[in-house]
Amino acid sequence: DAGVTQSPTHLIKTRGQHVTLRCSPISGHKSVSWYQQVLGQGPQFIFQYYEKEERGRGNFPDRFSARQFPNYSSELNVNALLLGDSALYLCASSSRLSTNEKLFFGSGTQLSVL
Amino acid sequence: DAKTTQPPSMDCAEGRAANLPCNHSTISGNEYVYWYRQIHSQGPQYIIHGLKNNETNEMASLIITEDRKSSTLILPHATLRDTAVYYCILTRRAAGNKLTFGGGTRVLVKP
Repeated sequence: DAGVTQSPTHLIKTRGQHVTLRCSPISGHKSVSWYQQVLGQGPQFIFQYYEKEERGRGNFPDRFSARQFPNYSSELNVNALLLGDSALYLCASSSRLSTNEKLFFGSGTQLSVL
Repeated sequence: DAKTTQPPSMDCAEGRAANLPCNHSTISGNEYVYWYRQIHSQGPQYIIHGLKNNETNEMASLIITEDRKSSTLILPHATLRDTAVYYCILTRRAAGNKLTFGGGTRVLVKP
């Protein structure tokens, strides 16, 4: 079975541009979460979606937005890119939102903003 | 959220057991202890989790003290492929399975 898949794997953008990152969860999983990992730090929570509804939002500016589609795949959008948005963006999926439910992570999208 | 404290780094010998400590002295009764690891350039990987009792799976064992203020992740026979950053994380009911990562422990397995 395929794990969590993310695309693209690498991306280079310039300041002020917009970017869309994509994630396909494990088959049967209804929840998708997004995390940002800056070099040298642990991942930071951005968004969580379950059954196409936003169920959690981290401390990120409104330039960051996301959505989940009927097939449970998800997109993360970042507008007006800043140099500080350079990071590894991770997607994770789970079947439920329970605290007793582990997350499965993809390998991430490495975004470089020049 | 209750926080965890882990040593920033540790070395261990290949083939020996690796014992990774985690302090969570302010843990609440409904918070699970989770361990994930992240091998370089990959996404985090789930290892094990527990609430009160010790747990064991094919990857590791989790020992939680009776007062739940600390825990230890045990990799029984470390291999070079276990070199990674290991994160000890608490999840609370109100936050579902949202993870708050700290700095983790950078483990280097040496031949």
